[in-house]
Amino acid sequence: GAGVSQSPSNKVTEKGKDVELRCDPISGHTALYWYRQSLGQGLEFLIYFQGNSAPDKSGLPSDRFSAERTGGSVSTLTIQRTQQEDSAVYLCASSFNSGSRKTQYFGPGTRLLVL
Amino acid sequence: GENVEQHPSTLSVQEGDSAVIKCTYSDSASNYFPWYKQELGKRPQLIIDIRSNVGEKKDQRIAVTLNKTAKHFSLHITETQPEDSAVYFCAATYGGNQFYFGTGTSLTVIP
Repeated sequence: GAGVSQSPSNKVTEKGKDVELRCDPISGHTALYWYRQSLGQGLEFLIYFQGNSAPDKSGLPSDRFSAERTGGSVSTLTIQRTQQEDSAVYLCASSFNSGSRKTQYFGPGTRLLVL
Repeated sequence: GENVEQHPSTLSVQEGDSAVIKCTYSDSASNYFPWYKQELGKRPQLIIDIRSNVGEKKDQRIAVTLNKTAKHFSLHITETQPEDSAVYFCAATYGGNQFYFGTGTSLTVIP
């Protein structure tokens, strides 16, 4: 079946503009995760959804970052008033997160460049 | 919260040799430990995982060991090949609510 998809694949924006990143998880996956990966760095946890609720928002870097998930499926990550340090690859992952089925499947990422 | 440390950050081996990457974790409640491989410009992909009720798991040339007492787990790749060159990440979680990732190991297999 289809894997996790993300759009856009690349985004170039000017400092101060808002951007919206989209994630389509694997059908049936209840858990959805957002991560940020700067060039050559590890995976920085941003936020986790179980269904439509976000029990853990502790990783969001600032109040310029927000995320929502509707219908237990698609999620959007919004960055307001973008800054150059927001430039990174934003990865989304989904999983069943049920019993033994915890494997996360990652999307291809959105490469964000803030000029 | 959980803290996962990963070593080494870079590793070079000759083709055919073995590679070992080690991770430690701090939360004894963590019970699921996946390993991801990320090739340049691509998404992380799961290569093997282990649960806390198992000490070792093998899949062809890849194996993972877990020592719950010492709170560390390791990835072993035998008979390395150039296509094994990538960045490898370990992770730990309890319940899957949040995955704590290591900082990654860049593995280079020299032909």
